[in-house]
Amino acid sequence: KQEVTQIPAALSVPEGENLVLNCSFTDSAIYNLQWFRQDPGKGLTSLLLIQSSQREQTSGRLNASLDKSSGRSTLYIAASQPGDSATYLCAVLNAGNMLTFGGGTRLMVKP
Amino acid sequence: DAGITQSPRHKVTETGTPVTLRCHQTENHRYMYWYRQDPGHGLRLIHYSYGVKDTDKGEVSDGYSVSRSKTEDFLLTLESATSSQTSVYFCAIGDRVDNEQFFGPGTRLTVL
Repeated sequence: KQEVTQIPAALSVPEGENLVLNCSFTDSAIYNLQWFRQDPGKGLTSLLLIQSSQREQTSGRLNASLDKSSGRSTLYIAASQPGDSATYLCAVLNAGNMLTFGGGTRLMVKP
Repeated sequence: DAGITQSPRHKVTETGTPVTLRCHQTENHRYMYWYRQDPGHGLRLIHYSYGVKDTDKGEVSDGYSVSRSKTEDFLLTLESATSSQTSVYFCAIGDRVDNEQFFGPGTRLTVL
């Protein structure tokens, strides 16, 4: 059974820092990996999707990488801002059409 | 934002009553999903649909049924609600199984 782990569980940084969020998964037979953002009491917002054949994807200040063989993905956030404060979730798609989610990293960016 | 709405947004009900949650999309996406989110368990797939009248079970399907009679609507029914089904329920949609999933705003369900 696929297991997805996100480290750290919580992170607090001052505004302007570059930061890295980590996601690891136990079964490398994935179709894709998706990063989401969730604000308190809200739904999930899709940030980036990396297909299994890709190594990275970029959107604005966000860059996500995927190393399928080692079962790892990182989400890099450049020049963090208070508005980036949220919980970040990664999820992998396996056979069976099932997204398996990690527990999330709760990010606080202090002004 | 993807055109996904969920109704109701909040519901309080009693143990043993049936409950139906509705997901409505305006994107004409083929795939629709129901997840639940619980502290300590994260998000887990309940059921999904890959077309009108085509559905399949997810990881935590016991106690839930679904129906999809139109492309735009996906219903989740709790036949006889239990306190363990107190949760936040999210609907998601996708145009292909290997493409992005887009999530709705969620329904907070409390079973007393």
